[in-house]
Amino acid sequence: EDQVTQSPEALRLQEGESSSLNCSYTVSGLRGLFWYRQDPGKGPEFLFTLYSAGEEKEKERLKATLTKKESFLHITAPKPEDSATYLCAVQAAGYSSASKIIFGSGTRLSIRP
Amino acid sequence: DGGITQSPKYLFRKEGQNVTLSCEQNLNHDAMYWYRQDPGQGLRLIYYSQIVNDFQKGDIAEGYSVSREKKESFPLTVTSAQKNPTAFYLCASGHRVAGVTDTQYFGPGTRLTVL
Repeated sequence: EDQVTQSPEALRLQEGESSSLNCSYTVSGLRGLFWYRQDPGKGPEFLFTLYSAGEEKEKERLKATLTKKESFLHITAPKPEDSATYLCAVQAAGYSSASKIIFGSGTRLSIRP
Repeated sequence: DGGITQSPKYLFRKEGQNVTLSCEQNLNHDAMYWYRQDPGQGLRLIYYSQIVNDFQKGDIAEGYSVSREKKESFPLTVTSAQKNPTAFYLCASGHRVAGVTDTQYFGPGTRLTVL
């Protein structure tokens, strides 16, 4: 069964304390892996798409990496405004549409000043 | 200014009532989607549409209905048959990138509460 698991569920960091969020997945074939940021009471905001193992993408203090079984979202020297829930999603191969985009339950990140 | 709008932001429903959530996009995307988000769970797909006048059931379509009469609009009706409708509802539109993946862009959401 296709599955996406994010860990930890919640992470509290001090401002400037770097860390990583994990997204592990089991799918029959990977078309792409997505990262989103979601603020409380708002819709998810698209961050990155990763397509193949070894690929990396960066945006400000965030860097996403991909292996054959998992993706990491590294956050370097975070600031309080980076506090949000980060969602990972996987699109499986073998389907013709986004009907098979599977979302993880998210990591709730809190950055203390 | 391109984007996706959802209305209302908050909606209260009495038991036995049908309610309709609005979703409009001006991104010129062919595909549109409705998801439901519950605390501690991932987004679950309710319905999706890849083209006007066509839509498909997602994983949790029971108790919901949709229409797609215009490219820009994809309203969702929560019927009285939906037993546990209190949730955060998210609409998205999307397009295929590099012929491989379907990138989705989300609206601000509607929080539905059953009284």
